[in-house]
Amino acid sequence: AQKITQTQPGMFVQEKEAVTLDCTYDTSDQSYGLFWYKQPSSGEMIFLIYQGSYDEQNATEGRYSLNFQKARKSANLVISASQLGDSAMYFCAMRGPPRGYNKLIFGAGTRLAVHP
Amino acid sequence: DAGITQSPRHKVTETGTPVTLRCHQTENHRYMYWYRQDPGHGLRLIHYSYGVKDTDKGEVSDGYSVSRSKTEDFLLTLESATSSQTSVYFCAISESRGIKLDYGYTFGSGTRLTVV
Repeated sequence: AQKITQTQPGMFVQEKEAVTLDCTYDTSDQSYGLFWYKQPSSGEMIFLIYQGSYDEQNATEGRYSLNFQKARKSANLVISASQLGDSAMYFCAMRGPPRGYNKLIFGAGTRLAVHP
Repeated sequence: DAGITQSPRHKVTETGTPVTLRCHQTENHRYMYWYRQDPGHGLRLIHYSYGVKDTDKGEVSDGYSVSRSKTEDFLLTLESATSSQTSVYFCAISESRGIKLDYGYTFGSGTRLTVV
């Protein structure tokens, strides 16, 4: 069975500094996808970044990068130059191959607080 | 132009009453999902659908049923609401694009359900 583990219930970072949010996963599939979502206090789910299991390069989207270490089964999110607006809940999620109906499995989340 | 809408946005109901939440999409996506979000658990899959009248259970399906009679609508029913079903419910949609796994999900805005 697939599983996502986020071991940091809460993190804080000073504005303009970088922060890493941890995510480890477990799957027996060779083909899978890893996602990070942001959920601000308003409640909507905002897609941040995606990494495919066969992608050789780490994904990057602006200030977000995904540190993908396949052998360690980790997919950490790195936010560079933190901003006050980055304060939110962050979820790591994994999707298996299409035969699994694209189900997305989430971790418990990490609440990030950015301090001025 | 949200592509996916949930109704109602908020609901308070009494223990033992039936409740139906609606998810409506205009994207013609094949896959639809119902999740519940609770502190410390992230988002957990309740039920999902991979086509009209094709549905299956997720990891926390007890006490819930679903129906999908049209591509655009996916209904979640709590047959007899209990306090443990107080939660925020999210609907999501996705589409398959063959072997590529870089397609994403679109989430609804959520329904906050309180069972008293």
